Amino acid sequence: QSALTQPPSASGSPGQSVTISCTGTSSDVGGYNYVSWYQQHPGKAPKLMIFEVTERPSGVPDRFSGSKSGNTASLTVSGLQAEDEADYYCSSYAGTNNFVFGTGTKVTVL
Amino acid sequence: QVQLQESGPGLVEPSETLSLTCTVSGDSISSNYYWGWIRQPPGKGLEWIGSIYYSGSTYYNPSLKSRVTISVDTSKNQFSLKLRSVTAADTAVYYCARAFVVVDHWGQGTLVTVSS
Repeated sequence: QSALTQPPSASGSPGQSVTISCTGTSSDVGGYNYVSWYQQHPGKAPKLMIFEVTERPSGVPDRFSGSKSGNTASLTVSGLQAEDEADYYCSSYAGTNNFVFGTGTKVTVL
Repeated sequence: QVQLQESGPGLVEPSETLSLTCTVSGDSISSNYYWGWIRQPPGKGLEWIGSIYYSGSTYYNPSLKSRVTISVDTSKNQFSLKLRSVTAADTAVYYCARAFVVVDHWGQGTLVTVSS
């Protein structure tokens, strides 16, 4: 199984929006509506930000939103804040108790 | 509140077996979830190692399948990882996690270094 493809970096000024893409195949992203997004600060465990493509867990700000078209999913962070600076990883269920992760995107708040 | 905690040696010699245990609290390991292991080499991305259901059904990442065993102990509410014949490339932070179409709870992670 191959990792999902994400851009290595993305950036924006405070208050702006940034969108991160996550490209897979019909065996993972395109085959299931089970795409998740994780935020990871240095030295910390990943934190679930989006699940089932568009859903936010309790406590996650509505500035975070997800979408999917075909084999590509996207995460948009609107109204960027300093604390949003982190690494972001997408993940997709790939059937039979299996998951695949993205290559990761470092988001910088300018 | 579900909590997972990894435990095990932080240093393993090359060619030996890496062994980690995950203790689950706040949920029964016999509930309708899979219990998995994920690793992250220093400065790199996340890799799904494999997972187990309380009944013993397992899935392993094909790239690691020949070296990995995941087991469960329902009496202790724990599950474990064994990775055989390790090399420096297996140096990583290892996370245990709960999953069911989404990995929704993670342990804090434990760094395992492979070195003599």
